[in-house]
Formats: sequence, structure tokens, C-alpha cells
Amino acid sequence: NAGVTQTPKFRVLKTGQSMTLLCAQDMNHEYMYWYRQDPGMGLRLIHYSVGEGTTAKGEVPDGYNVSRLKKQNFLLGLESAAPSQTSVYFCASSLASLSTEAFFGQGTRLTVV
Amino acid sequence: RKEVEQDPGPFNVPEGATVAFNCTYSNSASQSFFWYRQDCRKEPKLLMSVYSSGNEDGRFTAQLNRASQYISLLIRDSKLSDSATYLCVVNFDYKLSFGAGTTVTVRA
Repeated sequence: NAGVTQTPKFRVLKTGQSMTLLCAQDMNHEYMYWYRQDPGMGLRLIHYSVGEGTTAKGEVPDGYNVSRLKKQNFLLGLESAAPSQTSVYFCASSLASLSTEAFFGQGTRLTVV
Repeated sequence: RKEVEQDPGPFNVPEGATVAFNCTYSNSASQSFFWYRQDCRKEPKLLMSVYSSGNEDGRFTAQLNRASQYISLLIRDSKLSDSATYLCVVNFDYKLSFGAGTTVTVRA
């Protein structure tokens, strides 16, 4: 009964380092999303995918890249981390329906120093 | 202008009270609407969908006014366990836009 699983849950990076956040879902959902949440700003969409092999930019895509090589996985990459990317990152997935619920992972707390 | 705006609160209410709050959205073409609940430092979870006709789920009532582009949530007979941040969520073309959240604290 895993749902949406994010790896890692915590990470500290130095400025300029790179890393990849992994999101895995076992619900056979078509759509997957990456959000970041900062205090007082709500969740902001970074990138999303409407199916295997497809990705699209969200509201705040700069500094991030994504890939969806397999339907169940959505990877978020930071090529050269900056302190402004310190945030909590949430992955979500949903069925291909406007009225359906989005399920979220437990979040990744990233600090860039 | 933010796509979804909410009164951040906090709303501090005694157990058993009724609390209500709204959010407004800017995109008139938005297609579906939700309230999510987020407990401190945890992932958001769906509380309820919101329909134009209004809908209830136990002690929770949600309303949508498309003409004025606002969504409301009312909580009756508040419980301590209702303490959380409530996120207003609007869907346009499968992209969910979130408000910053309204914090509710229910005190004994």
C-alpha cells in the first residue's frame, strides 16, 4: 500500500552540487507532478508529466530538469544547486481526469548551503 | 496576481465552534476545485472536492461560486483534530494551483 514514495526524505547540499530526487508511484497513474513548498507561498508547480516519455514546464521550472522514462517514476534533477532551491519538494500523481484526487509523497526537505 | 488567494488566518476557535473561510481564484476557465488538508510538515491530503451545487462531507461544507470566482469551506462542531492548514486548490488543464493555505487551530 505504498502509494507515492519519494527518495530521499532529507538532504543537505553544498552550492553547486547536483542531485536527483526520485518519485515512484504504484497506482498506475498517468499524471505526475513536482511541487516545491516555501513558507507563506503555498505549493508551486515545477514540472509535470502527462504520460511516460512526456514532460512539461510548470510555474517555476528554472534550475530544474525532469525525466519520465517509466510510467511509475518521475525524476527531478538539480544540476547546480543554489540556496534559493532550499525548500520542501513534493511529488504527486493522479489519474488522467480533471475531477480526480492527486496523491502526494511525504516530501523531501532539501537544504542548500 | 496569484492564481489562488486565501486568507492565511490563523483562525483560532474553541471546540464545537463553526469556522468558515474563503479563497478566490483568477482563472475563470478553471475546471475543478478542491480543498486539501495539510498537517504540520506533512503531505497535503484531499479533504473534499467542491461542486457548483455545494456539497457536504460530515461536518464540512464546501461551496463554489463561479460567477464571483470564490470557493468556501465551513467546518461545523470543530474538533481538536481539525487543527491544520487548509489548502484551496484549482485545476486548469490538469495543472493544480494551490493557495498558500488557511491555518485553523481548534482549542479545548
